[in-house]
Amino acid sequence: DAEITQSPRHKITETGRQVTLACHQTWNHNNMFWYRQDLGHGLRLIHYSYGVHDTNKGEVSDGYSVSRSNTEDLPLTLESAASSQTSVYFCASSPTSGTSTDTQYFGPGTRLTVL
Amino acid sequence: GNSVTQMEGPVTLSEEAFLTINCTYTATGYPSLFWYVQYPGEGLQLLLKATKADDKGSNKGFEATYRKETTSFHLEKGSVQVSDSAVYFCALTTSGTYKYIFGTGTRLKVLA
Repeated sequence: DAEITQSPRHKITETGRQVTLACHQTWNHNNMFWYRQDLGHGLRLIHYSYGVHDTNKGEVSDGYSVSRSNTEDLPLTLESAASSQTSVYFCASSPTSGTSTDTQYFGPGTRLTVL
Repeated sequence: GNSVTQMEGPVTLSEEAFLTINCTYTATGYPSLFWYVQYPGEGLQLLLKATKADDKGSNKGFEATYRKETTSFHLEKGSVQVSDSAVYFCALTTSGTYKYIFGTGTRLKVLA
């Protein structure tokens, strides 16, 4: 079955370190998204991509970067981790053709703690 | 800009009680509306959706009707179960953007 996976599921790091969170989907979806989930804020969009080599900033992109070298993967990099980036991170994907282009499919999440 | 407002939680109900979680939105154009559910320790799953005014989405006993006149998409269930305990998110997307705007989520706890 097609799926979307994230790794690691849990990560503890120190302030100032670079961290990369992986997201891999096997649906062949063109669209991929990264969100962070914080109490009182719901899910906020960090970065998104509409296809290979395309990346765009979301509402809370400062301190994060992404690159899209293939259809399946959209890794999220924290260039220099800060305590304010302690959060749960979700990756999602959606198709650009067919009957469900408005439906996003979510990964299981990565809980990141920055000490 | 576009936005989604959900009722604050947590909502605590007894099993078999009636559930309503309010959701209102602000959007330009004609958004599609969604309810997602997040069970403990998991990612979000699509619960139901509606893509145009007066559409009713339904799934697992949950329903929501797209009301353009009141810009609302309230989630209802006639008889909740303990297994419905989760966080519920209302969201919208506008045509062609593929991006979602989420509400802040409403935690539901159902007691046996």
